[in-house]
Amino acid sequence: DAGVTQSPTHLIKTRGQQVTLRCSPISGHKSVSWYQQVLGQGPQFIFQYYEKEERGRGNFPDRFSARQFPNYSSELNVNALLLGDSALYLCASRLWGGGGRLDTQYFGPGTRLTVL
Amino acid sequence: GIQVEQSPPDLILQEGANSTLRCNFSDSVNNLQWFHQNPWGQLINLFYIPSGTKQNGRLSATTVATERYSLLYISSSQTTDSGVYFCAVEQSRRDDKIIFGKGTRLHILP
Repeated sequence: DAGVTQSPTHLIKTRGQQVTLRCSPISGHKSVSWYQQVLGQGPQFIFQYYEKEERGRGNFPDRFSARQFPNYSSELNVNALLLGDSALYLCASRLWGGGGRLDTQYFGPGTRLTVL
Repeated sequence: GIQVEQSPPDLILQEGANSTLRCNFSDSVNNLQWFHQNPWGQLINLFYIPSGTKQNGRLSATTVATERYSLLYISSSQTTDSGVYFCAVEQSRRDDKIIFGKGTRLHILP
């Protein structure tokens, strides 16, 4: 079975532009979460979506938005890019969402975004 | 919010050596996982271990939830063990937010 997939793998944008990142969860997984990892740090939680509804949001500005589609894939959008948005963006999927679940989340390979 | 602290931050070992990585967390948690991030950025699940002890080959992990710490043991290190090891916890009953520590960067010398 395929794992979590993300596209594109690398992306270069300039300040002020907008970007859309895509994630396909493991087949059968209904929960998708997004994380930002800047160099030298652990990943930081951005959003979680379960059954197309936002279940959780981290401490990120409104320039960050996301959505989940009926097939459980997800997009992360970032508007008005800043230099500080340069990071590895990771997507994770889980069979069920909602907190307190006694199972594992699985991460995709990430999209490396560079903002110039 | 909950704090997740990992030690040591950096570790350089000779191939064949053993190592212990520690994770302390400041509050009770629902889940705890150990991940290995390879040089390409992929986070690889090592253990899902909210409590107790688990072993997988040369790796083992122990979580003592009542004392709020977890340990990852790596025996007979190989160069392929190099990378960053993250401890990550879940606390919320509502969402799937994982809180990561800053990681331990392990470098195994041939």
